[in-house]
Amino acid sequence: EVQLVESGGGLVQPGGSLRLSCAASGFTFSSYAMTWVRQGPGKGLEWVSTISGSGGTTYYADSVKGRFTISKDTSKNTLFLQMNSLRAEDTAVYYCAKEGGGGGDYEINYWGQGTLVTVSA
Amino acid sequence: QSVLTQPPSVSAAPGQKVTISCSGSSSNIRNNYLSWYQQLPGTAPKLLMYENNKRPSGIPDRFSGSKSGTSATLGITGLQTGDEADYYCGTWDSSLSAKVFGGGTKLTVL
Repeated sequence: EVQLVESGGGLVQPGGSLRLSCAASGFTFSSYAMTWVRQGPGKGLEWVSTISGSGGTTYYADSVKGRFTISKDTSKNTLFLQMNSLRAEDTAVYYCAKEGGGGGDYEINYWGQGTLVTVSA
Repeated sequence: QSVLTQPPSVSAAPGQKVTISCSGSSSNIRNNYLSWYQQLPGTAPKLLMYENNKRPSGIPDRFSGSKSGTSATLGITGLQTGDEADYYCGTWDSSLSAKVFGGGTKLTVL
């Protein structure tokens, strides 16, 4: 059974940093691309970033490029999202998600329960 | 402003049929597979349809998907109150090198 468990969310001041983690189990972590999707309060889904199964290719939404970094530790089956220079508009529930293949252009077939990030003074 | 366009809301009575549209462009829907996601109130999204018209295990055949050109449609027959949710289409955009979603459609079963 695929399980994705996010952690690391919380309250942070504007300009601050936060590191999200996602512990994955139930599948071969190195074979599948992993993605972060966020959802602001009362808003729709917004793709944030994707890392390929091998970890060699990363993609970012323009809204986070240069501020967020996606990475993975295959030995620990863990996905990360390092978020720097946080802004109020980054406030959202962040979902860790598994894709259906190794590249970044597959469907998301499993979602975590999400972790809330609040950026406020 | 989402890259993919969906109607904000649709509604129908229990037992009836409803369709949800998703419109895009050549760089996304026309040349890539489309997926649909269901988000029940207060929960994480769930994959409902992938590769345009394939249902994951456990998704009833009341749900169907189709794609033509730069548009796609999700169909739901035999509506149930438990189908009330937000529905999102999503795909890859080859020009943006980004995953894109529609703005979401809220389904109300009257």
